[in-house]
Amino acid sequence: NAGVTQTPKFQVLKTGQSMTLQCAQDMNHNSMYWYRQDPGMGLRLIYYSASEGTTDKGEVPNGYNVSRLNKREFSLRLESAAPSQTSVYFCAGENLAPPYGYTFGSGTRLTVV
Amino acid sequence: GENVEQHPSTLSVQEGDSAVIKCTYSDSASNYFPWYKQELGKRPQLIIDIRSNVGEKKDQRIAVTLNKTAKHFSLHITETQPEDSAVYFCAASPLSSNTGKLIFGQGTTLQVKP
Repeated sequence: NAGVTQTPKFQVLKTGQSMTLQCAQDMNHNSMYWYRQDPGMGLRLIYYSASEGTTDKGEVPNGYNVSRLNKREFSLRLESAAPSQTSVYFCAGENLAPPYGYTFGSGTRLTVV
Repeated sequence: GENVEQHPSTLSVQEGDSAVIKCTYSDSASNYFPWYKQELGKRPQLIIDIRSNVGEKKDQRIAVTLNKTAKHFSLHITETQPEDSAVYFCAASPLSSNTGKLIFGQGTTLQVKP
């Protein structure tokens, strides 16, 4: 019972490089979310997907793109990484049954140098 | 859009004392207010939540209260223990969204001293 799985767990990028953060869930979530966590700023919503094939912007979408290719997978792409994107990234799925709220993945710690 | 403010940013208490963390929100249409606990290096995990049709909810040593008129809600932890030490986040879900999109507060680092 994996829940919400994120890969990779750690990544170091050079400025200008691109990469995709992967998220997969086996909890039958319809809605999935990408957040970034920075010290003193809480969790800020980057993008979300209400259902397969749909995506929408959150609070801080600039510099990111997402894909919801199927119900299980929701990926986050950085096309040209910048030092300001150094952060911990969390994927989450919305539970449809108690306990409600989100199930988070274990996070990806990204450093852009 | 929704904005959630959380205070204090850090809180230190003696073991056995109570801890209170407060949040305010801006969107009066918000209807769902969860609290998450994040231990060092771990993912956030839901500890308690409340919906707008309820004023208070308890689960053992933790409780949440909601004042819709004032647009604020609070987390209360009684008889604190060292294992309560963590970062706590409040959140609100704007009703204007069709999803359960959560807007989080900035977090409170709670330290419980033995």
